[in-house]
Amino acid sequence: AQSVTQLGSHVSVSEGALVLLRCNYSSSVPPYLFWYVQYPNQGLQLLLKYTTGATLVKGINGFEAEFKKSETSFHLTKPSAHMSDAAEYFCAVTEGGYNKLIFGAGTRLAVHP
Amino acid sequence: SAVISQKPSRDICQRGTSLTIQCQVDSQVTMMFWYRQQPGQSLTLIATANQGSEATYESGFVIDKFPISRPNLTFSTLTVSNMSPEDSSIYLCSVALQMNTEAFFGQGTRLTVV
Repeated sequence: AQSVTQLGSHVSVSEGALVLLRCNYSSSVPPYLFWYVQYPNQGLQLLLKYTTGATLVKGINGFEAEFKKSETSFHLTKPSAHMSDAAEYFCAVTEGGYNKLIFGAGTRLAVHP
Repeated sequence: SAVISQKPSRDICQRGTSLTIQCQVDSQVTMMFWYRQQPGQSLTLIATANQGSEATYESGFVIDKFPISRPNLTFSTLTVSNMSPEDSSIYLCSVALQMNTEAFFGQGTRLTVV
């Protein structure tokens, strides 16, 4: 079965600093990978996705992620954090081509001045 | 993309009662999903609700507790039956427009059982 591991339940960065949120997956088939963001009291919003093709994926709000098959990783980065980036971030993988998302435990990002 | 409306957005319910959550999508979709997000936790899939077939429940979830209706391609309901405080969670509706594409989520229903 597929699974997702997000290293670090809480990450804190200074405004303007690099954001790095880690995600590793396990899958016996080529995965489809996603990053979602959840702001307080809201649903989930898609940041970016990897399906096929280019392994460096760019998303909204300046975020990007790189699919590394050899490392089974899909880490999320942003060069310069903004206060508005403070939220919960979820990495997810689809299972079996049926759009059933398997989510990681989530990483809460705090951005301080 | 798809715009999903969930009702109610939040509710406080007495234990032993039931709550029905509605999910309305602005376009016709085949695949709809219901997730639960317990306090401080990640999302767990409850069931897949495809129009024209019975809902498929994940391990740990049963139809008697979480009956689902899917009367057409734009609407679904999830009922949380005989509620207990352990059912206090956010329940989210999700749709996918195509296989292996991203899922879109509603704003969620924040349920508190007292």
